[in-house]
Amino acid sequence: DVKVTQSSRYLVKRTGEKVFLECVQDMDHENMFWYRQDPGLGLRLIYFSYDVKMKEKGDIPEGYSVSREKKERFSLILESASTNQTSMYLCASSTIGYNYGYTFGSGTRLTVV
Amino acid sequence: KNQVEQSPQSLIILEGKNCTLQCNYTVSPFSNLRWYKQDTGRGPVSLTIMTFSENTKSNGRYTATLDADTKQSSLHITASQLSDSASYICVVSPDPDGKSTFGDGTTLTVKP
Repeated sequence: DVKVTQSSRYLVKRTGEKVFLECVQDMDHENMFWYRQDPGLGLRLIYFSYDVKMKEKGDIPEGYSVSREKKERFSLILESASTNQTSMYLCASSTIGYNYGYTFGSGTRLTVV
Repeated sequence: KNQVEQSPQSLIILEGKNCTLQCNYTVSPFSNLRWYKQDTGRGPVSLTIMTFSENTKSNGRYTATLDADTKQSSLHITASQLSDSASYICVVSPDPDGKSTFGDGTTLTVKP
């Protein structure tokens, strides 16, 4: 069964901490994405990557950075966590082509206190 | 601006009843449209994927339709079960480069 695995289901961090969210996929997908999901705002794209060491800003990249050193792993970094970054974070991967679809991880519920 | 609008925002039905969720989009050009089911606190799971040449796709009790001319899609759920209680998200992609537009979702509650 193909999978996208996020390292933590729940995470509590303090304001100002550097936070790493890890995502690993086992499907050899080219594309990987990080979204955040907030009530009433739907899913918003933070960053995505088409290939190893490549990254593109999404709609809300401020306060975040990413790293993709290996094809299967895409990390989201909160340089200095703030309370407004409390959210559900979803990682997804996809292959390319007209009939592609996303496979999502189970999500990480991050609370910044 | 690419947009995906879903209706209704929320829906409550009795177990065993059918229901239809709507998705209207202004994404252009169009590559594919996907419906996802998201249980509370979990990541979305794909239900159906339709390209511009398809107008119906089924997955068990879930049937999605697509009218590319009017830019509308619907998700029909037959003989609903309590486990269908979830958020249903419509996602439209203009091209295969991965930049998709998400709807805000319809929250379905199935009551016994």
